[in-house]
Amino acid sequence: NAGVTQTPKFQVLKTGQSMTLQCAQDMNHNSMYWYRQDPGMGLRLIYYSASEGTTDKGEVPNGYNVSRLNKREFSLRLESAAPSQTSVYFCASSEARGSGSLREETQYFGPGTRLLVL
Amino acid sequence: LAKTTQPISMDSYEGQEVNITCSHNNIATNDYITWYQQFPSQGPRFIIQGYKTKVTNEVASLFIPADRKSSTLSLPRVSLSDTAVYYCLVGPPGGYSTLTFGKGTMLLVSP
Repeated sequence: NAGVTQTPKFQVLKTGQSMTLQCAQDMNHNSMYWYRQDPGMGLRLIYYSASEGTTDKGEVPNGYNVSRLNKREFSLRLESAAPSQTSVYFCASSEARGSGSLREETQYFGPGTRLLVL
Repeated sequence: LAKTTQPISMDSYEGQEVNITCSHNNIATNDYITWYQQFPSQGPRFIIQGYKTKVTNEVASLFIPADRKSSTLSLPRVSLSDTAVYYCLVGPPGGYSTLTFGKGTMLLVSP
């Protein structure tokens, strides 16, 4: 059980180049998320997918696109990278359990992808 | 959305108990409280979650007063490896799309 995996671990791009960050989870979770974290900052939500076949914008979606390929995989694409997109990108998945006031949900994060755009 | 406030940083020594308090004055009835831990160069990791009173697991305890307007994460006998950033999140079940990870509390444990 690998949890949440991300590829690549590191990437250097030139301004204007495109790339896709891959994320996969083996916990059969319905919900998946993409965050970015800039130095000294908390995580900001880029996009999320509540279930297979659905995606929605988060707090900072501009410059990104996503694809929920199947229940396991959720990819993040930068069509034309900009230096402002230099960051660490984290993928996460979650599943709710319980019901009513005992309903809880925990996120599980991947190891991150460090992206530098020159 | 419940806004949270927690200290930017805290210092402690090995073997001490550390209590990190998070304020969430406008917590909603169906919101629960979750704490995450993040080490440098890693993704956040779930520590503990609760709705009311006290929750304890093998890593930490979470104290929630009756009015639920604040919560305290308690780490017993910290070690150097507990040096990390700790985030307090408040929100409804299934509401991670609306939750905000603030800057968290940077805990530095010294020998």
